[in-house]
Amino acid sequence: AQSVTQPDIHITVSEGASLELRCNYSYGATPYLFWYVQSPGQGLQLLLKYFSGDTLVQGIKGFEAEFKRSQSSFNLRKPSVHWSDAAEYFCAVGAAGSSNTGKLIFGQGTTLQVKP
Amino acid sequence: DAGVTQSPTHLIKTRGQQVTLRCSPISGHKSVSWYQQVLGQGPQFIFQYYEKEERGRGNFPDRFSARQFPNYSSELNVNALLLGDSALYLCASSFTGARAHEQFFGPGTRLTVL
Repeated sequence: AQSVTQPDIHITVSEGASLELRCNYSYGATPYLFWYVQSPGQGLQLLLKYFSGDTLVQGIKGFEAEFKRSQSSFNLRKPSVHWSDAAEYFCAVGAAGSSNTGKLIFGQGTTLQVKP
Repeated sequence: DAGVTQSPTHLIKTRGQQVTLRCSPISGHKSVSWYQQVLGQGPQFIFQYYEKEERGRGNFPDRFSARQFPNYSSELNVNALLLGDSALYLCASSFTGARAHEQFFGPGTRLTVL
């Protein structure tokens, strides 16, 4: 069965410091991978996605993520965090090849707190 | 362009009641998916609809049902509400086919069951 694990429930970083949020997935074939961000009381905003090709993908707001098949990981990174990045971050996997079913499986989320 | 819209924003119901949530997809998107997000957890897939047919269903009881209209908008219905149905209900829209997984979410409807 497909699953997504985000090992860190809560992370605190100082403003201007670098950030890495971890995501591990379980899926037999090549997955579609996503990172979403959710501000309090809001819906989900897509940060970036990986479907195929270059394993380092760039997203919005200065975020990037790297797909590592050997480690079943898709970690999210940002070189310098801003106070406005404080939010909940979700990693998700979609089943590539399943005919037209857009089911996404989400991890439990990582709450990012940014210290001034 | 307008994003995914959902109504109502908030809803309070009592146990045993029924609720209907509404969603309008992004223009050009023909697929709508529904997710339930319980506080402190990631969203859980409930349904996907396109061409007015159910294309996928998550592990939810039959109390949960949905439909899609010719204009691609969708309604989620939950009958016989339980306290555990309290959650943020998210609607997402997408293109179909290979891009079905690239989903864009609405702001959600916060349902509280008392």
